[in-house]
Amino acid sequence: NAGVTQTPKFQVLKTGQSMTLQCAQDMNHEYMSWYRQDPGMGLRLIHYSVGAGITDQGEVPNGYNVSRSTTEDFPLRLLSAAPSQTSVYFCASSSPGLAANTDTQYFGPGTRLTVL
Amino acid sequence: AQKITQTQPGMFVQEKEAVTLDCTYDTSDPSYGLFWYKQPSSGEMIFLIYQGSYDQQNATEGRYSLNFQKARKSANLVISASQLGDSAMYFCAMRPPFGNEKLTFGTGTRLTIIP
Repeated sequence: NAGVTQTPKFQVLKTGQSMTLQCAQDMNHEYMSWYRQDPGMGLRLIHYSVGAGITDQGEVPNGYNVSRSTTEDFPLRLLSAAPSQTSVYFCASSSPGLAANTDTQYFGPGTRLTVL
Repeated sequence: AQKITQTQPGMFVQEKEAVTLDCTYDTSDPSYGLFWYKQPSSGEMIFLIYQGSYDQQNATEGRYSLNFQKARKSANLVISASQLGDSAMYFCAMRPPFGNEKLTFGTGTRLTIIP
């Protein structure tokens, strides 16, 4: 069981370039989410999905696109990278439920992105 | 809208002492969940403890306990008998009703354990 995996671990882009951050989970979780973490701030929600084919915007969606064609994968696309998108990106997955430990989100290891 | 406030940017605690990390929250939803995560210097997010808004008892997980005071809208994390490995960033987070795909995080507290 790999849990939540993210690739790449590190990436440097030039302003205006596009790229896709990959996220996959093998826990058959319905919910998946993307967050960004900036210095001095907590994680902020970019986009989320409650199932294959269903996505919605979070707190800071501008400049990012997502799609969810399978339960396992939830890629995040940067359309035209800007220096303001320099951040650490976390993908998370979870299962709907009311029990204590099943209610948490499981996080991937993160992708550190620098936009020059 | 949900909001989490962590007012302690940093704390220094002697090893083996207990430590309390503060978290207050704001929400108009009657049903919600509260989480604490640990982020060591390696960067990963580690789930520590969860408290549901309707849970009658405070959550406990080993050395971690959550001091949940609903009327005060506070959900403080208590770490008993701190260890050097507890040095990390700690984040309080909240989920809305019926879905933990949308967590709202506080800004975190950096805890440093002094030998």
